[in-house]
Amino acid sequence: AQSVTQLGSHVSVSEGALVLLRCNYSSSVPPYLFWYVQYPNQGLQLLLKYTTGATLVKGINGFEAEFKKSETSFHLTKPSAHMSDAAEYFCAVSEQTGANNLFFGTGTRLTVIP
Amino acid sequence: DTGVSQDPRHKITKRGQNVTFRCDPISEHNRLYWYRQTLGQGPEFLTYFQNEAQLEKSRLLSDRFSAERPKGSFSTLEIQRTEQGDSAMYLCASSTNGGTGELFFGEGSRLTVL
Repeated sequence: AQSVTQLGSHVSVSEGALVLLRCNYSSSVPPYLFWYVQYPNQGLQLLLKYTTGATLVKGINGFEAEFKKSETSFHLTKPSAHMSDAAEYFCAVSEQTGANNLFFGTGTRLTVIP
Repeated sequence: DTGVSQDPRHKITKRGQNVTFRCDPISEHNRLYWYRQTLGQGPEFLTYFQNEAQLEKSRLLSDRFSAERPKGSFSTLEIQRTEQGDSAMYLCASSTNGGTGELFFGEGSRLTVL
């Protein structure tokens, strides 16, 4: 069974500061890992994903995440926060085979302080 | 626009009434998913179709809920005898068969049960 834990339901950073959103997962099989972003009144949008291969993956809007199998983590980072990054971020996991239905964490709301 | 579309975007109903939501997936996608998202939570998997076949249902999908995808294209999610606990955002997503597990989400249908 898969599950995702996102530490910190709310994170505040100053504009220009490092963004770090934490995600730990559990999976009995090799996982696919995802970060989605949800802006107010909008649908979930894929930021980035890890499937196989390189463990550091780059996504849209300057975000990246690193898959660390030994730590069962997939933390999301961005070197310099922008006001437009304010949103809710969800980490998700699925199996590499099967239905591909995603299991989501509870989300982290990112606030960017000017 | 060729994204996932959902209708209606908002529905307010009285307890005990029936409601139906429609989802039109991306046209070439043969997989379709329904999720539910409540305040402060991540999306929770409800059910999944491959073409017209409903292949998996979550325990969250009580017998008051029914989903169909009769021709393998659009899907409907009906909730009978609504309860206040059904108030949530109902999300639809679609994907291709296999692939790398990425789901494409619609903007959701928000249900409020009074």
